[in-house]
Order: sequence, then C-alpha cells, then structure tokens
Amino acid sequence: DSGVTQTPKHLITATGQRVTLRCSPRSGDLSVYWYQQSLDQGLQFLIQYYNGEERAKGNILERFSAQQFPDLHSELNLSSLELGDSALYFCASSVEGHYTDTQYFGPGTRLTVL
Amino acid sequence: AQSVSQHNHHVILSEAASLELGCNYSYGGTVNLFWYVQYPGQHLQLLLKYFSGDPLVKGIKGFEAEFIKSKFSFNLRKPSVQWSDTAEYFCAVNEIQGGSEKLVFGKGTKLTVNP
Repeated sequence: DSGVTQTPKHLITATGQRVTLRCSPRSGDLSVYWYQQSLDQGLQFLIQYYNGEERAKGNILERFSAQQFPDLHSELNLSSLELGDSALYFCASSVEGHYTDTQYFGPGTRLTVL
Repeated sequence: AQSVSQHNHHVILSEAASLELGCNYSYGGTVNLFWYVQYPGQHLQLLLKYFSGDPLVKGIKGFEAEFIKSKFSFNLRKPSVQWSDTAEYFCAVNEIQGGSEKLVFGKGTKLTVNP
C-alpha cells in the first residue's frame, strides 16, 4: 500500500458525460500528479499540483481539468467524454514536487466510456 | 520533446535466468532516470533512480541499472530472476520544458517469469 488513495476504483459512463476522479495523497505529501495510461499511448503525464497551485502541465486535453484543495486532495474532472478517454487514470504524490522526489502511485481509477 | 523507448514489449524467462531490459531516451542534456515496477494487481512503485554520480545504480530486490550517457541508455538488469519478478517495468526520464519538469515514461515491458 503506497498510502495514496483513489476513488472510485472503476467507473463506467457514456459518451458526452462528465466524471470526477478523486485522489488523496500520502500524509505529508504536498504535490499531486495525474497520469493517464492507455494501451496505445502508454503512461502519459497530465498535470501536477503543489500545495494547491498548478506546477506543471503535460498532455492534458482542454476537456479535462484538475484542482488541488486546501486539504491537499485533488480531483480530476473529465467532461464531454469520448470513447478514446477510456483508460486507467493514476494519481501520484510526492513530498515537495521536485523530480528528484520519489513519486508514490495510487491504485488507479479505470474509466470505461461506452 | 523527450521520448523514452523500451525495446521489448514482452519478455518471457525461466527462473534463474538473467534479465536485461532496454531503455533509451532522446534528451541529451542533464537527465534524471527512473525505473518503476507494477506487480500484478498492485500500484506502480519505484525500483531505482539515477541522478548523478556512480552510473551503476542499485535498487530494491536485487535490481540494478547502468546509465551510459554516450548511448542515451539506462538498462535494467538482474542476474537471476524469480517468479515473483513477474510484473510490468517502466523506464522514465524527466523532461524540463518551459521552466517546469515532468516525467516521461516508456510504454513498459511486461516480464513473465516461468517457475
């Protein structure tokens, strides 16, 4: 157990819908990262937050947004869902948000868009 | 932009065989390199990392990796694999772009170790 929790574990929804994925970092970690893992693209970095502020942005679509709340949990919002958004979404956390930090990954949320 | 190539999609070995998983990256500047592992049904976890110094890095569970700058490579090795090493292995490198850093992952290599 990495100490990072993600809910829900599985999510099945329809095209055009909107979903929210939730992540709670390890106790004491200030930074949260979101990744998308799909068969064709592999593991892709989406976005990073540090202590409530956006720190780095990757290949995140405009239909996707995220935020980190004062209690340091984070939510990833996916809207106008398409079939191609079906993937495993991972959250990770680290102490300071530097890439020398070890990132601790959660178990992931499997999103299926029908 | 940085890219990471993992040469083998699926490797199948017998127990006690030696393992080497290839990883090449494209960025030529200063890099930080990582290997992560995902055991079946578990979360991704760090196996080892390289920032500077001795290019031969030792990680958990008997794994090691060698950074060869001239070859842009960071191959993962283990002299004798066990059935419990069955997992998916991901190489990653940091990329610095626009003042921020991010990790770029390879597509992973699935390792199956037969008893």
